[in-house]
Amino acid sequence: GENVEQHPSTLSVQEGDSAVIKCTYSDSASNYFPWYKQELGKRPQLIIDIRSNVGEKKDQRIAVTLNKTAKHFSLHITETQPEDSAVYFCAAGRGSTLGRLYFGRGTQLTVWP
Amino acid sequence: SAVISQKPSRDICQRGTSLTIQCQVDSQVTMMFWYRQQPGQSLTLIATANQGSEATYESGFVIDKFPISRPNLTFSTLTVSNMSPEDSSIYLCSGRDGSTNEKLFFGSGTQLSVL
Repeated sequence: GENVEQHPSTLSVQEGDSAVIKCTYSDSASNYFPWYKQELGKRPQLIIDIRSNVGEKKDQRIAVTLNKTAKHFSLHITETQPEDSAVYFCAAGRGSTLGRLYFGRGTQLTVWP
Repeated sequence: SAVISQKPSRDICQRGTSLTIQCQVDSQVTMMFWYRQQPGQSLTLIATANQGSEATYESGFVIDKFPISRPNLTFSTLTVSNMSPEDSSIYLCSGRDGSTNEKLFFGSGTQLSVL
């Protein structure tokens, strides 16, 4: 089955700095890579996703890059704000069975004012 | 995005008992799934809830322990049977949203504590 590794497990940055979270996956058939943000006591919220026919995708301060050859993908948050503080999860899945996602262990991001 | 409602939001149960969690989704959801999130951990897929037939379970999860029903397109239940303290987790219902290119959205979760 799919195995998703995520690093770092914790990340502290100063407000305004950038944050980068990296994930690797094992199943070459995976072609869908979403990122979720989970605030304490809340449900995971989808913040951005990318499919394997695209190398990069941006949405305002958030971007995701994908390297299919190396089987890794990354989340980039620029101009971080205290409200970006949360746990971020990467995941991998196949287009044919979207919804069956395999998650990384999460990154606790703390943004200090 | 899809609307996914889940109840109860939390419960405290005794060892050996069972709890049934209900999930209601809106009509744009095409597929439903159940995930577990153990304390401070990641999300693990339990099973795909199939309408009108037996759920499809992931490795490590069995029907006797986690029976799942989906009698119609918009409703599903997950039962945690013969509970032990190791079952203390957050259980999350999720759905693929056909109106947003099949993105996966989560319900608010059920926080289960087993004493």
